[in-house]
Amino acid sequence: AQSVSQHNHHVILSEAASLELGCNYSYGGTVNLFWYVQYPGQHLQLLLKYLSGDPLVKGIKGFEAEFIKSKFSFNLRKPSVQWSDTAEYFCAVKARGSASKIIFGSGTRLSIRP
Amino acid sequence: DGGITQSPKYLFRKEGQNVTLSCEQNLNHDAMYWYRQDPGQGLRLIYYSQIVNDFQKGDIAEGYSVSREKKESFPLTVTSAQKNPTAFYLCASGDVNNSPLHFGNGTRLTVT
Repeated sequence: AQSVSQHNHHVILSEAASLELGCNYSYGGTVNLFWYVQYPGQHLQLLLKYLSGDPLVKGIKGFEAEFIKSKFSFNLRKPSVQWSDTAEYFCAVKARGSASKIIFGSGTRLSIRP
Repeated sequence: DGGITQSPKYLFRKEGQNVTLSCEQNLNHDAMYWYRQDPGQGLRLIYYSQIVNDFQKGDIAEGYSVSREKKESFPLTVTSAQKNPTAFYLCASGDVNNSPLHFGNGTRLTVT
């Protein structure tokens, strides 16, 4: 069974700082990977996804993530954060070819100091 | 507008009562999901369904039941067997082609 680990529970940064949120998954086969964001008071929405091909994927609002198969990782990055990036971020994994089971990590709360 | 509707937004029940949370989608998605969101634990999968009349247990199915009689609807029943039912419940849907999940706005259930 697949699982997802997000080791950073709460990250606090100042505006313009660079961001990297860790995501590691455990599953021996091929996977699809996702990052979702939940802004305060809003529902979850997709930031970016990796299905196949180029392991560096770009999403909305300047976010990107790199799939490193050898490390079972899919870390989320942004070169310069803004106050509006304050939100909770969730990594998710789906085992390709299996039933449509999508597993989420425990989330990382990002707080940006203005 | 296409989307997922969860109702009600807030629900209060007494301990020992079963309660059913509604989830309806008009996105023509085959797959539907129920997650439970608790602080510090992220989203945990309760049940999911790929097609009508079929569903599978997720990681925390004990104390919950579902049905999928129609493509558009995937109600979740929280039974009295669920030991810690107070939580925020999220319904989602997606198609089988790895498109992103669409989430509802959630139902906050409080059991006292």
